[in-house]
Order: sequence, then structure tokens, then C-alpha cells
Amino acid sequence: DVKVTQSSRYLVKRTGEKVFLECVQDMDHENMFWYRQDPGLGLRLIYFSYDVKMKEKGDIPEGYSVSREKKERFSLILESASTNQTSMYLCASSLYAAGDETQYFGPGTRLLVL
Amino acid sequence: GEDVEQSLFLSVREGDSSVINCTYTDSSSTYLYWYKQEPGAGLQLLTYIFSNMDMKQDQRLTVLLNKKDKHLSLRIADTQTGDSAIYFCAEEVGLYGGSQGNLIFGKGTKLSVKP
Repeated sequence: DVKVTQSSRYLVKRTGEKVFLECVQDMDHENMFWYRQDPGLGLRLIYFSYDVKMKEKGDIPEGYSVSREKKERFSLILESASTNQTSMYLCASSLYAAGDETQYFGPGTRLLVL
Repeated sequence: GEDVEQSLFLSVREGDSSVINCTYTDSSSTYLYWYKQEPGAGLQLLTYIFSNMDMKQDQRLTVLLNKKDKHLSLRIADTQTGDSAIYFCAEEVGLYGGSQGNLIFGKGTKLSVKP
């Protein structure tokens, strides 16, 4: 079974803090993704990575950065957290395989920025 | 651009069938997906259908695909209270000139099952 884990289930931070969200997958997947999920807006893609040290902007990258130093780990960084970044953050991974984009999700991190 | 549309809410009684509908835009999608999200949890792959199929059945789940109308549906037979969750439809879109890459998700349909 694919396992995607996220470092925290719940996180409370203050405005202006630097926040690290970690995601680890154990299935040697090439692709990894960070989404945020907000009521009424569904899932929105922040960043994704298709290989180590590679990253691509998604639909809403502003205020975020990412790091992929190892294949199994994809980190989302909030350089200076703001209250509008309070959200549920979901990490996912997928295998690089023609025609099959199945993404496997972690349990999510619920972030509250005060 | 690519878009996936689905209704936001569905309410059914326990034992009835639920049908969640979805429309998508990318006709080149090879696979279409249904994910389930229970409260406070991440998304769990429920089922998927290959684009050259019209129907896929998996126990209580039936997926119907109408490629001409770009319409996908998920039918849950004998719906149980444990089926209460948000259901997301997703289509794949190419990253670079049609090669494999991302999924585009609908906003999710919240299914409420009344006892």
C-alpha cells in the first residue's frame, strides 16, 4: 500500500512566522503535490514536483515555496505566514506512468494562523 | 482552461441509491477518478475508469462515463451512513504538451445520508 505521511495533523502559528510542512511518501513516486483545501473552493494546487530538485508552480503559488531535496520528501514552506493561509493542506504523490495519474493523498495538515 | 464541475450537496436516505454527477472538459483525459474524503481526513482513491470504458462496477459502486457529453457519474447502491463524506471527481490533464501530469479536481459533493 502506498503511504503518504504529513508531519503534523494540526498546527497553530502566528502571523509572520516561517512554517514548514513536511510530506513523505514510501513508494518511490516521482511526482509530488501540495494542495490547499478551503470550503467552497475545493482543492487548489500550490506547487508540484516531478523529480528531485525540480518544482513547478501550481495555480496559487504566491506566499509559498517548496523544497524537494530527496525523492521521498516534499516540503511546503510559508515564508511569512498570514491569516489568509489558514487552511487544510494536503500532500499527494503519484507514479510517473503513462496514462495513470492516480494520486495518493496524505491525511492533511490543518493549519491555523493567528 | 480545464474545469471539473459537480454539485456541492446531495442528501439521501439510508438504503437508497446515491448518484453523484460530474462534468469535465478535457476530452484527452485517459483516466477519470473518484475520490472520497471523510471528515478531517485526506482524500482516498475510491475508483477510477479508463476513458475507453462506458461503465465500471465495483461492489456497491458503479461509474458511468459518457465521453460524448463529458459526463461522469458515481452511483452508490444501498447507501449507508458510513458513506457520508465529500466525493471529488477528477480528470487528468497534461503537464507539457499532453504528457502525463496533473489532476484537476471538482469542488466536491458533500453526501449526507439520513438514517
